[in-house]
Amino acid sequence: EDKVVQSPLSLVVHEGDTVTLNCSYEVTNFRSLLWYKQEKKAPTFLFMLTSSGIEKKSGRLSSILDKKELFSILNITATQTGDSAIYLCAVGLGTNAGKSTFGDGTTLTVKP
Amino acid sequence: GAVVSQHPSWVICKSGTSVKIECRSLDFQATTMFWYRQFPKQSLMLMATSNEGSKATYEQGVEKDKFLINHASLTLSTLTVTSAHPEDSSFYICSASIAGGPDTQYFGPGTRLTVL
Repeated sequence: EDKVVQSPLSLVVHEGDTVTLNCSYEVTNFRSLLWYKQEKKAPTFLFMLTSSGIEKKSGRLSSILDKKELFSILNITATQTGDSAIYLCAVGLGTNAGKSTFGDGTTLTVKP
Repeated sequence: GAVVSQHPSWVICKSGTSVKIECRSLDFQATTMFWYRQFPKQSLMLMATSNEGSKATYEQGVEKDKFLINHASLTLSTLTVTSAHPEDSSFYICSASIAGGPDTQYFGPGTRLTVL
């Protein structure tokens, strides 16, 4: 059974802190690893990673994938209250383009 | 670009009635759309994969006769919750990936279903 595990499940930090969110996976037909941010409604796309060791960066967010150890991390530096959200990690499966298995998410709360 | 809409955004219905939720890709073609269910403070649970012009593929434990999926065109998929019961109350989200594109899914805004 395909499995995606995120840790921690929840995290509370103060503005300006740096956080690292973890995602490990065990799937039979890996295609890609994706990170999404979910605020009040549906998730929005952050990153898609397919190759090991290549960091993807967007502003204060960055992510990297390790296909040997089967995990990815999402870093957020200088956190702001607007970063408060659920961060979802998903693994795209090779059997069907777009089909993904999602982790349980990490709920991040950034306090002023 | 890559906008997905869902309608309605919320619905309240009586037990035993059927509810139809529409998912549309507004500016791209989606041969595949996905339907998820999300309970409060939980992650997305994939219910089914909707393929244009063919039958949907349901995940284990999801009743295909209860959750009817139709993907009649490259931009529209519908989910009908038949004979809804209070335990069907949930947040239903659809997503679509661009035909021939990467694995990125574009999510609709979701539909909050409450069954009384």
